[in-house]
Amino acid sequence: SAVISQKPSRDICQRGTSLTIQCQVDSQVTMMFWYRQQPGQSLTLIATANQGSEATYESGFVIDKFPISRPNLTFSTLTVSNMSPEDSSIYLCSVDISSRGSNEQFFGPGTRLTVL
Amino acid sequence: GENVEQHPSTLSVQEGDSAVIKCTYSDSASNYFPWYKQELGKGPQLIIDIRSNVGEKKDQRIAVTLNKTAKHFSLHITETQPEDSAVYFCAASKGDSWGKLQFGAGTQVVVTP
Repeated sequence: SAVISQKPSRDICQRGTSLTIQCQVDSQVTMMFWYRQQPGQSLTLIATANQGSEATYESGFVIDKFPISRPNLTFSTLTVSNMSPEDSSIYLCSVDISSRGSNEQFFGPGTRLTVL
Repeated sequence: GENVEQHPSTLSVQEGDSAVIKCTYSDSASNYFPWYKQELGKGPQLIIDIRSNVGEKKDQRIAVTLNKTAKHFSLHITETQPEDSAVYFCAASKGDSWGKLQFGAGTQVVVTP
């Protein structure tokens, strides 16, 4: 598996501001992902963070709202821009790890965001 | 795209009894089916997974079965314990979209002593 940390663990923000969430992995990984989990809901993939190139966004998510950086194979950031109360969610990063000849995906602890 | 349905949404069991959660998927090309356990205030934890080349996989008290023809897979927890109480999510992905997990809605499992 992998040890994945996220900062901050939680935050309360004012509408109209932006928050950058950091994800750090203890080993080099090829694939990193960002998910959103709205209150009491399931997980929805926001984007794939690609090292050295622009992130690949899923339908309904755009770069202007959720810019992502991936400067190396152990680190990524997700920014939630121009926040509104509807952005209140848990934001999770995940990594794909090759284990015993197969790939498995592991999640960080999440960042709990409340927008007032 | 892929659509994963999960049932039931809540499940209450007595300690020691078995719990079964079922998921169906729509894309016949999906070939990887993990299960995650999420405790309150934590990120999802991978507990078991199955790939399309096998029909069943066990790990101690947890087992997963896969029926590719019917496009459904199930999680079985035997001899449930209070610490099994959590939200469980099934997910699916396929080779050409590796890592892009489509999650079910989740099942809140409550194990009462």
